[in-house]
Amino acid sequence: QSVLTQPPSVSGAPGQRVTISCIGSSSNIGAGYDVHWHQQFPGTAPKLLIYGNNNRPSGVPDRFSGSKSGTSASLAITGLQAEDEADYYCQSYDSSLSGYVFGTGTQVTVL
Amino acid sequence: QLQLQESGPGLVKPSETLCLTCTVSGGSISSGDYYWAWIRQPPGKGLEWIGSIYYSGTTYYNPSLKSRVTISVDTSKNHFSLKLRSVTAADTAIYYCARLGLAAAGNRPFDIWGQGTMVTVSS
Repeated sequence: QSVLTQPPSVSGAPGQRVTISCIGSSSNIGAGYDVHWHQQFPGTAPKLLIYGNNNRPSGVPDRFSGSKSGTSASLAITGLQAEDEADYYCQSYDSSLSGYVFGTGTQVTVL
Repeated sequence: QLQLQESGPGLVKPSETLCLTCTVSGGSISSGDYYWAWIRQPPGKGLEWIGSIYYSGTTYYNPSLKSRVTISVDTSKNHFSLKLRSVTAADTAIYYCARLGLAAAGNRPFDIWGQGTMVTVSS
């Protein structure tokens, strides 16, 4: 039921920059609702990584950054590290569904 | 530090009702302008919001599950609960409880998550 589309996987070498897109529509991201990003390691619960489009909770490294434009958003990881291997999900709100929605999820692999 | 902990049966028979509780520790469920939520993740799949509740009892449900879901809150026990009726194998998932952080309506992030509990629907 995901209404936010993400690429299934992205990869990069250590130190490189990777980006993950989150494509929505006029009833969610395009309607002005904030986008948040969650990081999930295998076998563990998701953790809030970015909130309010481009804000980092305390303790999140500044190599993680978020942006939003129109009906889409992006998560960028600069200076990719092996410990960044995880699944990443975007999250927003959809006015047509009157509820919270998640992206399809992206697996990040460090080569 | 606020923590959330899910509890409940790990195995539910088809057509029966799944019941889970999320206990909040390190803070009061009725303090602040927070909502509390249930989210699930089928094995190997993505996240799905099930519904949210305010300490006053106001609820919001995912339209795709609304006919089978009830979320309730017990402020005296500092916990909130999920009931999902008429379950099938498709309801097999890890169920997470989470807090919706402070922000304008519709802009809240899930900012604190429980560790999750696996529920299998099988006879």
